[in-house]
This record gives sequence, C-alpha cells and structure tokens, in this order.
Amino acid sequence: SQQGEEDPQALSIQEGENATMNCSYKTSINNLQWYRQNSGRGLVHLILIRSNEREKHSGRLRVTLDTSKKSSSLLITASRAADTASYFCAPYTGANSKLTFGKGITLSVRP
Amino acid sequence: DTAVSQTPKYLVTQMGNDKSIKCEQNLGHDTMYWYKQDSKKFLKIMFSYNNKELIINETVPNRFSPKSPDKAHLNLHINSLELGDSAVYFCASSPNAGGYGYTFGSGTRLTVV
Repeated sequence: SQQGEEDPQALSIQEGENATMNCSYKTSINNLQWYRQNSGRGLVHLILIRSNEREKHSGRLRVTLDTSKKSSSLLITASRAADTASYFCAPYTGANSKLTFGKGITLSVRP
Repeated sequence: DTAVSQTPKYLVTQMGNDKSIKCEQNLGHDTMYWYKQDSKKFLKIMFSYNNKELIINETVPNRFSPKSPDKAHLNLHINSLELGDSAVYFCASSPNAGGYGYTFGSGTRLTVV
C-alpha cells in the first residue's frame, strides 16, 4: 500500500469559485477515494472512483482519474464557506490493503 | 444514532499512565481500524481487525495493544504513556477489507503531560 500525495498543500478561494485539488500516487490501484475533514472532526468519505472509471460526479463534486498518469483530481464547483476543510486522497491498492492518507489539502473558502 | 462512536473525546493524562480508548460501530461492518493523526494532520494507520482477527499491525510501539471483543468493537490500550503519544486517534470501520469507503469516528484527542 502507498499514500497519495495531494497538491497544492493549501488553497484559498472566494465563495462561488471552483476549487481543484490534485492527487498523485505511485503504484497500480484498485480504486482511489477522497475524504473531507472539518476542523476538529473525523474524516468523511466523499467519493470512490474505481480504476476502470475516468470520471465520477456527486452533487457539486467531480472526480477524475487518469491511471496512465497515476493521478486524480477533485473539483468542487460553486464553492461555499462550508466547504472550508482539509481534503485527503487515499489510493487503495488491493485485498486486505489499508488506505494510506497523504498530508491533505487545506481549502479555505472566503465568504 | 452515531455510526462510529469513540470514547472519550478528550483524554489528558500524565506520562507513565495507562489509558484505553473505546470504539463501537453500529453499521454491521466487518472491519475496523485505528489511525493516529499528528499535529501536522498526517494520518497513520496503526491496526486493523477483520471480524475480530488482526489483519494489519503496523510498526507501532508494543505499548499500544488493540483488542476486538466482537466485530462491532475495537479498543486501544496504551501502556506507559509518553509525550510523543499526544495526538488525535481515530477509529474507522468499513464493510470489509476489500477497499470500500471508511466511516470514521470523531476522534479522541490524547494529551500527555
């Protein structure tokens, strides 16, 4: 198992703008997951994209996966102040493998 | 009903003490995990149990001992606490160990003084 590396480390945008966060990983994966962590809270699972999928949507979230580049991106459209949080990607590499998280991206959405 | 609940939420204790953190999930999941999050938000897995069987045992000091009395509970006991053990400890669960999304508890903030 191996962790994803998120980029940028921090992102500050105005409410209503789109936020794009990137994740890179090193080995083949079964799926890749994105999580959100609000300050002082546990992580919340946002979306899971399988290795044979290229794009997935959930509400204002859009996740893409490029297995040839070993990268994924999370797009939050029309951001809100409530989207302010840390975002983590976690590649899953196979059976009985744990999810290994990176250091996360701190997103600040200014009202 | 809280899906994954941890107790206590805060724990302040002196060096050298022994303490336990409890975790319970009511989701019917087979797999449970303990993660440690340091002050820089880096999350590191410590242990995982699948149906009461230990399946992941990362390199952590043997002062840390997990125990799973049944698949809905995973407790973490820490002996001889050290300053460096100060962190937030998260419990999580997943339907099984096959790469599903995790449900996390709200964390236990441990401060060793």
